[in-house]
Amino acid sequence: QQQVKQSPQSLIVQKGGISIINCAYENTAFDYFPWYQQFPGKGPALLIAIRPDVSEKKEGRFTISFNKSAKQFSLHIMDSQPGDSATYFCAATPGSRLTFGEGTQLTVNP
Amino acid sequence: NAGVMQNPRHLVRRRGQEARLRCSPMKGHSHVYWYRQLPEEGLKFMVYLQKENIIDESGMPKERFSAEFPKEGPSILRIQQVVRGDSAAYFCASSPYRGSYEQYFGPGTRLTVT
Repeated sequence: QQQVKQSPQSLIVQKGGISIINCAYENTAFDYFPWYQQFPGKGPALLIAIRPDVSEKKEGRFTISFNKSAKQFSLHIMDSQPGDSATYFCAATPGSRLTFGEGTQLTVNP
Repeated sequence: NAGVMQNPRHLVRRRGQEARLRCSPMKGHSHVYWYRQLPEEGLKFMVYLQKENIIDESGMPKERFSAEFPKEGPSILRIQQVVRGDSAAYFCASSPYRGSYEQYFGPGTRLTVT
């Protein structure tokens, strides 16, 4: 019940395309859903986050869509750029420890 | 630099030695979390501390691992009698207060056990 399932494991997108990463959770106590971006050899960086009372949140090229009834949320990266190539982790928390998805390695080809 | 600081960035230990990893939270943050990232895996929660208090250690292995966050100084994650399976990246995150959802991560300590 504590798991967060993330897919796909890897994703290759052409420059300018849309990258979509999906996550699903079981624990209804989760009430904050952040996405982190991690470059090789670096720590995860908070990218964008959403609460379950909102169905969508947009910050620049990054959008989170949230479906509370399905217990699913997704990250959309519009106009993907080579500099977006990194590993993306979804996560969920009830307000303390983060439970992370397995990660998606995104490659954006020039 | 007001970010989370971790040291050392890289640590090599022989089997059976002790590893001590340090984390200084962001300025104004009094809550620290430790996570472990095994090769090719996601991050797993280990322990959540407040100054002088362990709030949640449900993710800590039962033996050889301990953590503290003293009133003065950095938080320390201590691994005694390291084994090869302890080789991983250990990340510290901080938040300003209990119930604050946003956690900011440090650059990590990469532990290699030979």
